[in-house]
Amino acid sequence: QSVLTQPPSASGTPGQRVTISCSGSSSNIGSNTVDWYQQLPGTAPKLLIYSNNQRPSGVPDRFSGSRSGTSASLAISGLQSEDEADYYCAAWDDSLSGGVFGGGTKLTVL
Amino acid sequence: EVQLVESGGGLVQPGGSLRLSCAASGFTFSRYGMQWVRQAPGKGLEYVSAISSNGGSTYYASSVKGRFTISRDNSKNTLYLQMGSLRAEDMAVYYCARDQDYDFWSGYGMDVWGQGTTVTVSS
Repeated sequence: QSVLTQPPSASGTPGQRVTISCSGSSSNIGSNTVDWYQQLPGTAPKLLIYSNNQRPSGVPDRFSGSRSGTSASLAISGLQSEDEADYYCAAWDDSLSGGVFGGGTKLTVL
Repeated sequence: EVQLVESGGGLVQPGGSLRLSCAASGFTFSRYGMQWVRQAPGKGLEYVSAISSNGGSTYYASSVKGRFTISRDNSKNTLYLQMGSLRAEDMAVYYCARDQDYDFWSGYGMDVWGQGTTVTVSS
């Protein structure tokens, strides 16, 4: 059972906008920044969003992140087939004194 | 090219030991915090261990504390993870990853990842 809760799956059609939620608590998302990672099948994770809403260079602006209270969201607009991947949220947890990941959300592009 | 290459994975018996290495190239290794993240077969990501740029600060997940030791040799641009008393639940792909800052889990994310090395624990 992950400390950060994500829906196990999400789906959308090409061109659509989808959001993936990440629910935590006051000891993690409520007091620390959130990062998002994309993991394409058979590959290493890739940093998608850091510090809640910052995109590393090279990440398309179709990807955006937000945080409110003890929850965070990743939004993907203009969905493309190559976006089909697993997505993980991550945050530092003050109670555990460690980094924690969500359980991951498998995004399917229909 | 900025790159991390892990090695050292393999098959080990329960209770055995293994040392993973992560060779860095294309950037000034000594300026960045580094970490190990693992992924069990078909499962999600788990933050295992981390070390600051100068090696002065380290972190271990409770699941590996007392059994794993992280270290780095900045002269060799290499990160290590010494794993001992291995258990079936340690079986995973182990990734090394660079933080975007001097410390680990700086809030700037892990921006460079290796391809991973597989650890199999079985008799």
